[in-house]
Amino acid sequence: AQSVTQLGSHVSVSEGALVLLRCNYSSSVPPYLFWYVQYPNQGLQLLLKYTSAATLVKGINGFEAEFKKSETSFHLTKPSAHMSDAAEYFCAVRSGSYKLIFGSGTRLLVRP
Amino acid sequence: EAGVAQSPRYKIIEKRQSVAFWCNPISGHATLYWYQQILGQGPKLLIQFQNNGVVDDSQLPKDRFSAERLKGVDSTLKIQPAKLEDSAVYLCASSSETRRVNTEAFFGQGTRLTVV
Repeated sequence: AQSVTQLGSHVSVSEGALVLLRCNYSSSVPPYLFWYVQYPNQGLQLLLKYTSAATLVKGINGFEAEFKKSETSFHLTKPSAHMSDAAEYFCAVRSGSYKLIFGSGTRLLVRP
Repeated sequence: EAGVAQSPRYKIIEKRQSVAFWCNPISGHATLYWYQQILGQGPKLLIQFQNNGVVDDSQLPKDRFSAERLKGVDSTLKIQPAKLEDSAVYLCASSSETRRVNTEAFFGQGTRLTVV
């Protein structure tokens, strides 16, 4: 069965600093991985997805993630945090049964 | 294109009452998901439909929760009777492909249920 683990329920960075949100996955088959963002009182919006075409994936709003099979990781990064990046971020994995399983989420706080 | 529509946005009920949520997926999307998101947690998959058939309902509390997607389009999730621990946001999502597992799911804004 597949699963994802997000390390750190809260991450706090200063505006302009590097953002790093961690995600590790477990899957018995080649996984498809996603990062979603959720703003208060909103549904989830796709940031980026890994589809096996390239290990470094670029998404919206300057975010990117790198798939590392040897480390079973798919960490999300952004070089320079903006106040508008403050939100909850979810990593998700999907495999052969098409089930989409989410991690517990990381709340990103951006300090002025 | 129109997104995933959910109603109502908010619902407050007393415990032991019943409640129903409605979802209309993006036109043409064969896969429909219902998730429960408790405050401070990630979304938990309750049930997944492929057209009007159930693909997975292993985490659906079947003694009180039910869901249907009769014509393979819109869907209804019902809780009867509700418990305090059912207070959560119920998210509906849909996706288009049946074979390509890398297709993302699109989410509605959710229904926030408060059971008092």
